[in-house]
Amino acid sequence: NAGVMQNPRHLVRRRGQEARLRCSPMKGHSHVYWYRQLPEEGLKFMVYLQKENIIDESGMPKERFSAEFPKEGPSILRIQQVVRGDSAAYFCASSPSPGLKLFFGSGTQLSVL
Amino acid sequence: AQTVTQSQPEMSVQEAETVTLSCTYDTSESDYYLFWYKQPPSRQMILVIRQEAYKQQNATENRFSVNFQKAAKSFSLKISDSQLGDAAMYFCAVTNRDDKIIFGKGTRLHILP
Repeated sequence: NAGVMQNPRHLVRRRGQEARLRCSPMKGHSHVYWYRQLPEEGLKFMVYLQKENIIDESGMPKERFSAEFPKEGPSILRIQQVVRGDSAAYFCASSPSPGLKLFFGSGTQLSVL
Repeated sequence: AQTVTQSQPEMSVQEAETVTLSCTYDTSESDYYLFWYKQPPSRQMILVIRQEAYKQQNATENRFSVNFQKAAKSFSLKISDSQLGDAAMYFCAVTNRDDKIIFGKGTRLHILP
C-alpha cells in the first residue's frame, strides 16, 4: 500500500505563473488536508477536503488559491499568479477518518523566482 | 477555534538522558485528539504518539510518553533515553472528530553526543 504521494517534489515558478501541486492519498482514505510550511515554522492549515467536497477552507487565501479533490484522480492545490511570498513547502496528508492518524506526503517545495 | 502553543522554540538534551517538550492547547470541544509529530531533516512528518481526550491514561510508545493534563489543557511529550536519531522538529497538534488538525509552531530538539 503506497503512502501519500505528492508531486512534484520541487517546483520552480516565475512570478505570475501558475503552480499545480498534486496529492494522491493513501488507498481507502477519503479525507485530504493541505498544509503550508514556511522555513523554521510549523504547519499552517490551508484546506480540508473529502471526495468532491471542500469541508473547510478557512486557512486558504481567498484569492489565487484553490483546491479540489475530484471523484477520480488526485487532489490538486492550485496557485494562480504566484508571488515570492508563496515560496514554501506544501504538505498533503490523508486520513481514513478525522481524529485518526494523518499520513503525510513528502511535500512539494515551491520556489518562486 | 482551536489553538496550540509550544513555548520552547529549541531544546537540547544529552544523549541517553530524558527530555520533556511542552505543549498547551485550547479547544471548546469535549471530544478531541492530541498528537505529537516528528519532522527530521528529511522533512517527512512522522506520528510519534496519539492521545484520545476521553482516555485518562497517558499514551506511551516505547521511549515516548505523554503527560496529559486535561483540566490544564496540557500535553507534554517525554522522551526517555534520548538517541541521536531523535533530533528533529517536534510538533504538537489537536483536532476534534469533524475538523482539521491544528499544529503548534514546533520545538527543535538537539541531541548532544
